[in-house]
Amino acid sequence: EAGVTQFPSHSVIEKGQTVTLRCDPISGHDNLYWYRRVMGKEIKFLLHFVKESKQDESGMPNNRFLAERTGGTYSTLKVQPAELEDSGVYFCASRHGTGLSEQYFGPGTRLTVT
Amino acid sequence: GNSVTQMEGPVTLSEEAFLTINCTYTATGYPSLFWYVQYPGEGLQLLLKATKADDKGSNKGFEATYRKETTSFHLEKGSVQVSDSAVYFCALSDPGGSYIPTFGRGTSLIVHP
Repeated sequence: EAGVTQFPSHSVIEKGQTVTLRCDPISGHDNLYWYRRVMGKEIKFLLHFVKESKQDESGMPNNRFLAERTGGTYSTLKVQPAELEDSGVYFCASRHGTGLSEQYFGPGTRLTVT
Repeated sequence: GNSVTQMEGPVTLSEEAFLTINCTYTATGYPSLFWYVQYPGEGLQLLLKATKADDKGSNKGFEATYRKETTSFHLEKGSVQVSDSAVYFCALSDPGGSYIPTFGRGTSLIVHP
């Protein structure tokens, strides 16, 4: 069974540009999460989808970030326009069902804004 | 709010040395505690967990005991290998909440042959 995949693995863009990150969860996982780790700091929660609905987006830093999960399968996270402080590693995770089942994480996308 | 504090890295050890990575937490109620590991180029993987006080989680030779009295969940391994080189994250989750983990900053472990 394929794990959580993320694309691209690394992106370097200039301040003011737009970047779209993609996450493909494990097939059948209704729950999809986005997290971000700024260099040397904690992994911070960004938002949580249940199928195509945003269950919790309390961690989204500002309105330059837009997450979508059309059709309840893969998800995209768009940053527009990117700022220097957006640099970091963006992780996606998926989870099946309810309760304390394990989240499965992708390898992350390293975003560098110059 | 919830928070997790881990020792700063990197931790550099020789093969077969004893490993301890300290983790303490602040939480209301009775959280579940986790250690995740991220090997180079891979995603985070759940290494072990404990859901109540005095529980010991163990996996791949790693152990951690849920100590409520000291609010700690230190990770230990008796004899590390080069293949254990990775970043280790301590985390907690409130079972009465949304199951979204609160992570520490991560501790990089480098094991030399």
